[in-house]
Amino acid sequence: KAGVTQTPRYLIKTRGQQVTLSCSPISGHRSVSWYQQTPGQGLQFLFEYFSETQRNKGNFPGRFSGRQFSNSRSEMNVSTLELGDSALYLCASGEQANEKLFFGSGTQLSVL
Amino acid sequence: AQSVAQPEDQVNVAEGNPLTVKCTYSVSGNPYLFWYVQYPNRGLQFLLKYITGDNLVKGSYGFEAEFNKSQTSFHLKKPSALVSDSALYFCAVRPWAMEYGNKLVFGAGTILRVKS
Repeated sequence: KAGVTQTPRYLIKTRGQQVTLSCSPISGHRSVSWYQQTPGQGLQFLFEYFSETQRNKGNFPGRFSGRQFSNSRSEMNVSTLELGDSALYLCASGEQANEKLFFGSGTQLSVL
Repeated sequence: AQSVAQPEDQVNVAEGNPLTVKCTYSVSGNPYLFWYVQYPNRGLQFLLKYITGDNLVKGSYGFEAEFNKSQTSFHLKKPSALVSDSALYFCAVRPWAMEYGNKLVFGAGTILRVKS
């Protein structure tokens, strides 16, 4: 099976712009989670989608949103980018709760 | 609220020596505990998990972890370290309630450096 695929690998944006990141989970996985990783805050949970429904949400402002399609692929969107949004955004897919998650290599977002 | 503490930013060990990476947690109810490893410019890779049962959990690449409920700890161990084990290690917890789905709370991470 192919692993979790995240595109693009790198992104450079300027403040005020918006960005969309994409994640293709492992075939058959219905759960897709998103995490933000920064040197200062570490790994922080953004949200989780399961069968096209948001199941959990972290403590991020409304500028961060996501969705999941019927084929389980997921996108996250960040509007009105701020410098502090610069981070590695990781997507993870899983089959069921409490099982291991499979992470993609991430999208490195730089906001200038 | 659930939380995870990894008290050491970095652990240094000589190749062939045993290693321990420490983790303590705070969660209401029974915890589900995980260890993940991250290599440079890569996503996280699953090492092992504790859900229930035997307190000593064996995982990938020769790693194991010991669950200690009274000390709320879940330390990662390996009897003999390899240089290739050098990486960033994360401990994570998920509360027992089903409503949490796959939401994990991660520790800050511990850099493991194994020197030859």
